[in-house]
Amino acid sequence: NAGVTQTPKFQVLKTGQSMTLQCAQDMNHEYMSWYRQDPGMGLRLIHYSVGAGITDQGEVPNGYNVSRSTTEDFPLRLLSAAPSQTSVYFCASGRGSYNEQFFGPGTRLTVL
Amino acid sequence: AQKITQTQPGMFVQEKEAVTLDCTYDTSDPSYGLFWYKQPSSGEMIFLIYQGSYDQQNATEGRYSLNFQKARKSANLVISASQLGDSAMYFCAMRNAGGTSYGKLTFGQGTILTVHP
Repeated sequence: NAGVTQTPKFQVLKTGQSMTLQCAQDMNHEYMSWYRQDPGMGLRLIHYSVGAGITDQGEVPNGYNVSRSTTEDFPLRLLSAAPSQTSVYFCASGRGSYNEQFFGPGTRLTVL
Repeated sequence: AQKITQTQPGMFVQEKEAVTLDCTYDTSDPSYGLFWYKQPSSGEMIFLIYQGSYDQQNATEGRYSLNFQKARKSANLVISASQLGDSAMYFCAMRNAGGTSYGKLTFGQGTILTVHP
C-alpha cells in the first residue's frame, strides 16, 4: 500500500514549456485533488475530482488542466508554464466529504 | 464563500507544556468538516484530527484535541505535553458537504509552532 504517490519530486521548466505532474493513489478513494502551496498563502485548491470522469475547478485553476480517466490517477497538466506557477504542488485523495485527505509528498516546481 | 483564518503566524511553547493554536472559520453551509494538518520541515502534510459540524463532543486524538465552539465558529487545536518533534507548521482546514463548495478543502495560512527544550 503506497498511499498517494507523486512524480517528479523536483522539476525545473522554462517559461512556455508544458508538462504533466503525475499523481496516483492505491486506496480506491473517490476524491482526488491538487493544491499549490506558496509562502505565506497556505494551500490553495487548483482542481479536484469526485470520481472517474468528473472534475471541477478549485480556487486557482487558470493555467492548469486535469482529467480523471481512472479511480487511481489524477494528472495535472501545465499548458504553458509561467514563473507565477513556481510552487510546491500537492496531490491528495480521500474517501468522502467527511474523511481526511491523504497527501502525497509534493512536487517542487520552478519555472524560469 | 468559505474562509479559514489563523491569526497566529508563529507560536512558541516550552517542552512538556500545552499550547493552543487558533482557527476561526466562516461558512453558510450547516454541514461541514474541520481538519488540522501538521507540516514538518520535511514538507509532508500529516493529518492530525477531524471535527464534524454535527459532532456533539470535541474530537481527541492522543495528545491532540480540538476545541470546537460552533457558535463562535472556532476550531482551536490544543496540543498537550508538547514535544520537540511538534515543531512544525500547522494548518486548519474546512470541507463543506454541499452547495457550490461541495468537497472542496479550504486551508488557513498556517501557524509555525516552535517547541523550546
